[in-house]
Amino acid sequence: DAKTTQPNSMESNEEEPVHLPCNHSTISGTDYIHWYRQLPSQGPEYVIHGLTSNVNNRMASLAIAEDRKSSTLILHRATLRDAAVYYCILKNFGNEKLTFGTGTRLTIIP
Amino acid sequence: EPEVTQTPSHQVTQMGQEVILRCVPISNHLYFYWYRQILGQKVEFLVSFYNNEISEKSEIFDDQFSVERPDGSNFTLKIRSTKLEDSAMYFCASSPIVAGVSYNEQFFGPGTRLTVL
Repeated sequence: DAKTTQPNSMESNEEEPVHLPCNHSTISGTDYIHWYRQLPSQGPEYVIHGLTSNVNNRMASLAIAEDRKSSTLILHRATLRDAAVYYCILKNFGNEKLTFGTGTRLTIIP
Repeated sequence: EPEVTQTPSHQVTQMGQEVILRCVPISNHLYFYWYRQILGQKVEFLVSFYNNEISEKSEIFDDQFSVERPDGSNFTLKIRSTKLEDSAMYFCASSPIVAGVSYNEQFFGPGTRLTVL
């Protein structure tokens, strides 16, 4: 599986935007970029995914570099409820499993 | 909003005993999964299940593990003879099918904490 690299931890102030980076320099043409998060004591939760173009949904935006070797998850206005571990995962088309790394632990400062 | 449910929330068992962890996936989903997370470690894929058979499994999923969809709603993970190192959170997930493949999101349940003594 292609590997992703994320910072171990990040902090952000409440009500500010958060940009969570992910590097995936060995991404293949059929790899989708998925983001999940895991709130304390809960199961992982899907956030967003994309292939080449930037994507928006009600939770977040995903900005994908033109060469697809990196991506950024954007939370537009962080709340305390967004404190979680965020995982950037490459998922190959037709491959069912999610391979979780250690993710980025996001702390929101009130 | 539909969600994946899991029972029990916490299971305590003695080493060597059999356990069955139960999951009710979202009703129109067709792909099912089990993952586990040992305390303080990464979430690890165990197995995926589609069309009443295992579609993929990891090295962790050895002969001690089995999965079953005994009826139209439940999806179970059985551990035949538990070991101390099986202590972990076990997450069930399900996924819809679009155009014959699942590249969409997986919906996770809240997990079952398994403690093996």
